[in-house]
Amino acid sequence: GENVEQHPSTLSVQEGDSAVIKCTYSDSASNYFPWYKQELGKGPQLIIDIRSNVGEKKDQRIAVTLNKTAKHFSLHITETQPEDSAVYFCAASIGTSYDKVIFGPGTSLSVIP
Amino acid sequence: GAVVSQHPSWVICKSGTSVKIECRSLDFQATTMFWYRQFPKQSLMLMATSNEGSKATYEQGVEKDKFLINHASLTLSTLTVTSAHPEDSSFYICSANRDRGRNEQYFGPGTRLTVT
Repeated sequence: GENVEQHPSTLSVQEGDSAVIKCTYSDSASNYFPWYKQELGKGPQLIIDIRSNVGEKKDQRIAVTLNKTAKHFSLHITETQPEDSAVYFCAASIGTSYDKVIFGPGTSLSVIP
Repeated sequence: GAVVSQHPSWVICKSGTSVKIECRSLDFQATTMFWYRQFPKQSLMLMATSNEGSKATYEQGVEKDKFLINHASLTLSTLTVTSAHPEDSSFYICSANRDRGRNEQYFGPGTRLTVT
């Protein structure tokens, strides 16, 4: 089955700096890669996703890149703000409505004012 | 759009009792819903996939007789933790798939279960 690894487990950055979180996956059939932000005591919130037919996707300060050959994908947050502090999860899925999404272990991001 | 609710948001129960958690898709129909549990400082672990009108598919290691899942309509799935024990204390989160053929899952706010 699919296995998703994520690094780093914790990340501290100064406000205004960039943050990068990297993930690898094992199943070459995976073709949908969402990223979730989870604040303490809340459910995960989808912040951006990418499908395997695309190499990069950007939404304001957030961007995701995908390298299918190497089976890794990354989340980039620019101009970080204190409200970006949360746990971020990458995930991978084969990408039909009946297939499960497998989560990485998570990265706790702290943005220091 | 794509709002998922859960009820209750938190519950405390005594060991040996059963607890039901509801997951509703408020503004869309979801043929597939998923149930996860999350322990403190850990990732989400998929427990089961719930399809409307059919039996749930449980992940390896999840006891189907202990975690009863019912998906009676396109907007409601329920998880019942039977004969709860302190080790069942966890954060239970559901998600729903909105678009058939596209696995974009929308998550509920979670239910904090504490078994005393």
